Amino acid sequence: EPEVTQTPSHQVTQMGQEVILRCVPISNHLYFYWYRQILGQKVEFLVSFYNNEISEKSEIFDDQFSVERPDGSNFTLKIRSTKLEDSAMYFCASSAPGGGYNEQFFGPGTRLTVL
Amino acid sequence: AQSVTQLDSQVPVFEEAPVELRCNYSSSVSVYLFWYVQYPNQGLQLLLKYLSGSTLVKGINGFEAEFNKSQTSFHLRKPSVHISDTAEYFCAVSDGWNNAGNMLTFGGGTRLMVKP
Repeated sequence: EPEVTQTPSHQVTQMGQEVILRCVPISNHLYFYWYRQILGQKVEFLVSFYNNEISEKSEIFDDQFSVERPDGSNFTLKIRSTKLEDSAMYFCASSAPGGGYNEQFFGPGTRLTVL
Repeated sequence: AQSVTQLDSQVPVFEEAPVELRCNYSSSVSVYLFWYVQYPNQGLQLLLKYLSGSTLVKGINGFEAEFNKSQTSFHLRKPSVHISDTAEYFCAVSDGWNNAGNMLTFGGGTRLMVKP
């Protein structure tokens, strides 16, 4: 069964460093999302991406964040200069094309720890 | 703006007992409602969804949920739980679909702990 994959499973970085979190969405999906979950808090929407551009973003997704689909398979989230408060589990999701609602399939997440 | 409240952060229950996980939402527009489950070290898996039609929705693993518009609730139920149902359960809402996709707003999660 096709699934969303994410690498790495755990990333440790120093404050101020750049990190790139990688996701491989399901192959025929066209809508892509990033969410994050700070330990003990809610899963929060960061950004959605469609047709090679950001379609929606939350207040969390400031200038320190960027997303990219560098090739036909990967979808990345970059944090330019990490802060302690960026420590969280980051989930990638994707959904299929077509009219009406389509289920978002989630990856297992990347745990980011900023020291 | 939408919000989702899961009233119970943890629910301990004995195996084969019934369980209800509560979810209330607020939204100014019509909503789509979802329950996701997260097993340890895994991603979020969709249990069930309400888009329209019958207010009683059946999902995977014997779970069901009832949409109650007047009480703005979408509680998740299972008549008899198994040890394997131990996981974190998330209620989520979306205010619809546009051509650019849709964002989900999640509740804080409920940890279901099934004891033998």
